[in-house]
Amino acid sequence: QKEVEQNSGPLSVPEGAIASLNCTYSDRGSQSFFWYRQYSGKSPELIMFIYSNGDKEDGRFTAQLNKASQYVSLLIRDSQPSDSATYLCAVKAGQAGTALIFGKGTTLSVSS
Amino acid sequence: GAVVSQHPSWVICKSGTSVKIECRSLDFQATTMFWYRQFPKQSLMLMATSNEGSKATYEQGVEKDKFLINHASLTLSTLTVTSAHPEDSSFYICSASHRALDSGNTIYFGEGSWLTVV
Repeated sequence: QKEVEQNSGPLSVPEGAIASLNCTYSDRGSQSFFWYRQYSGKSPELIMFIYSNGDKEDGRFTAQLNKASQYVSLLIRDSQPSDSATYLCAVKAGQAGTALIFGKGTTLSVSS
Repeated sequence: GAVVSQHPSWVICKSGTSVKIECRSLDFQATTMFWYRQFPKQSLMLMATSNEGSKATYEQGVEKDKFLINHASLTLSTLTVTSAHPEDSSFYICSASHRALDSGNTIYFGEGSWLTVV
């Protein structure tokens, strides 16, 4: 059973702070790792993806991947109230045509 | 960017009836489409994977006779919930894998369809 684990939260941070979201996965065959943001009642929106060990930065967001530890994280710098949402971690095997497997998501609340 | 459209966005149906949800890739050919279901405050649970022209592969615990999936073309997949019951009320989301991009690792999501069975 392929599993993706996330702390459900809620994670509360003040505006301007760094929010740190964590995710672990069970399938060592996973090759691609994604972070999605989902607002209530809406479809997930892709924030970023990462394939290689290390860090990947995109604006205020940084994804970190450690395949040996089967761990992926998302850092949000200068958090804004508009970042308040549920953040979903998803993993995917390397073959084309395989589905994303999602974690349960972490709810982030950024207070102004 | 690539767009995946779902229709309807909202549907209410009576218990015992069937409802069809369409998922279309508007500007690309989708090699594979995926159907997910999401209950309130839960994650997206993969229901099935469908490839154009072949039978869908269902996840364990998903009744293939209840959730009929048809992937007749590279731009259209449909999910039909047959003999719907109130417990089928959920948010259904499709996603499509872009054939030409990134060896198929690029996946786009539809807007989702809210189903309420009364």
